[in-house]
Amino acid sequence: DAGITQSPRHKVTETGTPVTLRCHQTENHRYMYWYRQDPGHGLRLIHYSYGVKDTDKGEVSDGYSVSRSKTEDFLLTLESATSSQTSVYFCAISFQGTQYFGPGTRLLVL
Amino acid sequence: QKEVEQNSGPLSVPEGAIASLNCTYSDRGSQSFFWYRQYSGKSPELIMFIYSNGDKEDGRFTAQLNKASQYVSLLIRDSQPSDSATYLCAVNRGGSGGGADGLTFGKGTHLIIQP
Repeated sequence: DAGITQSPRHKVTETGTPVTLRCHQTENHRYMYWYRQDPGHGLRLIHYSYGVKDTDKGEVSDGYSVSRSKTEDFLLTLESATSSQTSVYFCAISFQGTQYFGPGTRLLVL
Repeated sequence: QKEVEQNSGPLSVPEGAIASLNCTYSDRGSQSFFWYRQYSGKSPELIMFIYSNGDKEDGRFTAQLNKASQYVSLLIRDSQPSDSATYLCAVNRGGSGGGADGLTFGKGTHLIIQP
């Protein structure tokens, strides 16, 4: 599992509330990623990080922000959750040019 | 923006036969190609990656890359019921080759191995 954990694993929230998802890795990987997976769309990159405090946008970054204050933690924040952000969120790390995924977080926005 | 296309399936293959999964990509400059397997409710797990034209074999799996035709395929020999899953094709987003800028995924092909 590449030493990746995600929390929470499941969350139900209401429209308009802030939500933060956490990705934690134990093996000091430099690159970390957040993807979302939706039926009919596959996996899409939201944001990624190439080091502490170094982040960049992916293809579906609107409505999301990220932070990385420590190598081991990469946080994804939905400032004001919307129903369109109901999804499964996967964190990933890059190791030797290949990405490995965490277990995922299922988020339901009512 | 790069696009990766896969037939969504389902692709049904008898047990013991060869399953052939195909993927095409839009950016001729793509350098790195990956196949992931995803069981329902689980996270994607890497099966193989390929960077060079030709075939790459790993056990029952063979990845094939043809950059001129912009397709990559995955063959699964001696298919087993446990191979039933969704198979995701991915290519590197940026110019770094190794996927450091993230991956662009196809929507996946649902494979069913019939006992």
